[in-house]
Amino acid sequence: AQSVTQLDSQVPVFEEAPVELRCNYSSSVSVYLFWYVQYPNQGLQLLLKYLSGSTLVKGINGFEAEFNKSQTSFHLRKPSVHISDTAEYFCAVSDPGAAGNKLTFGGGTRVLVKP
Amino acid sequence: EPEVTQTPSHQVTQMGQEVILRCVPISNHLYFYWYRQILGQKVEFLVSFYNNEISEKSEIFDDQFSVERPDGSNFTLKIRSTKLEDSAMYFCASSVGDTIYFGEGSWLTVV
Repeated sequence: AQSVTQLDSQVPVFEEAPVELRCNYSSSVSVYLFWYVQYPNQGLQLLLKYLSGSTLVKGINGFEAEFNKSQTSFHLRKPSVHISDTAEYFCAVSDPGAAGNKLTFGGGTRVLVKP
Repeated sequence: EPEVTQTPSHQVTQMGQEVILRCVPISNHLYFYWYRQILGQKVEFLVSFYNNEISEKSEIFDDQFSVERPDGSNFTLKIRSTKLEDSAMYFCASSVGDTIYFGEGSWLTVV
């Protein structure tokens, strides 16, 4: 069985400061990794994904994440946040060998960007 | 850009009533899903659907739940007799490859 842990439930950050959201997973098989963002009163939007290849992946809105297999981590970073980045961020994994790519989500990290 | 659309956006229902949540997945997608998020909790997988049948379901998806693709475009989730603990945001999603795309969700409040 897979599981995802997001170590920080809330992260307050000042505008233009960097932010890192931590994600660790456990799985007995190789995984695909995803970050989704949920803006207030909206659905889940894909930020970025790691399937294979380069361990540093870039996504939308200036976000990037690094896959670290030895540490089973997939931390999300942005060098300079904007007020509009205030949202909840979800890390998720799926099993590449399974049909249908069912996602297992972490508990989410709520980012509050302060002016 | 194509998107998954869901209706209704909000629904309030009395305990014991039947509810149907509707979704229009992205047109060329092959897999369809329902997830839910109880307030303050994780997003949880309910069920996946492929080739007109359930391909996987979680332990949450008991006999009170059913899914259907009644025509070529809609994908529905039915809860036969709602309970207070069914109050949640329900997300429909679809995929054709390795990435799942979500709708904006349907808030269900059971009173």
